[in-house]
Amino acid sequence: GENVEQHPSTLSVQEGDSAVIKCTYSDSASNYFPWYKQELGKGPQLIIDIRSNVGEKKDQRIAVTLNKTAKHFSLHITETQPEDSAVYFCAASRTDSWGKFQFGAGTQVVVTP
Amino acid sequence: KAGVTQTPRYLIKTRGQQVTLSCSPISGHRSVSWYQQTPGQGLQFLFEYFSETQRNKGNFPGRFSGRQFSNSRSEMNVSTLELGDSALYLCASSLAWASSYEQYFGPGTRLTVT
Repeated sequence: GENVEQHPSTLSVQEGDSAVIKCTYSDSASNYFPWYKQELGKGPQLIIDIRSNVGEKKDQRIAVTLNKTAKHFSLHITETQPEDSAVYFCAASRTDSWGKFQFGAGTQVVVTP
Repeated sequence: KAGVTQTPRYLIKTRGQQVTLSCSPISGHRSVSWYQQTPGQGLQFLFEYFSETQRNKGNFPGRFSGRQFSNSRSEMNVSTLELGDSALYLCASSLAWASSYEQYFGPGTRLTVT
């Protein structure tokens, strides 16, 4: 089955710097890759996603890139702010396994002022 | 539009008991997925329902079951609770139509088994 590895497990950045989180997946049939942000005491919040027919997607300070050949995708956060501090999860899924997301282990991001 | 709601938010049960958790999806969403989140295992897929039918199932024992009603609301049940079932149980809803794959999570139900 699908296996998703996520690195690093913790990331400490200065406010204003960039943060990058990387994930690799094993199932070449995976075609949808969302990223979630989870704050303490809350459920995961979808922040950006990318489909296998696209190489990059941006939404303000957040961007995601996908390399299908290497089977890895990354989240980039620019100009980090203290409110970006949270746990970030990547996930992978395939549309013939509808609703079944395989999640990475998560990255604890701490943005220090 | 209201988000995904889950009840109850917190629950304490004793080993051997059974528990039922409820999830109301976003209005118009027909797919509901359930996940278990623990510090050790992370987010693990339990099952997914669409139009009252289970379409996908994760690798959990038969003590974990679920159902979906005609209004898309879903419940999951855990029988004969074990200490290891202590976790945050999350449900996520999706439009599950055409090319809409996005899943939106609720706040979760924190289950503690003593």
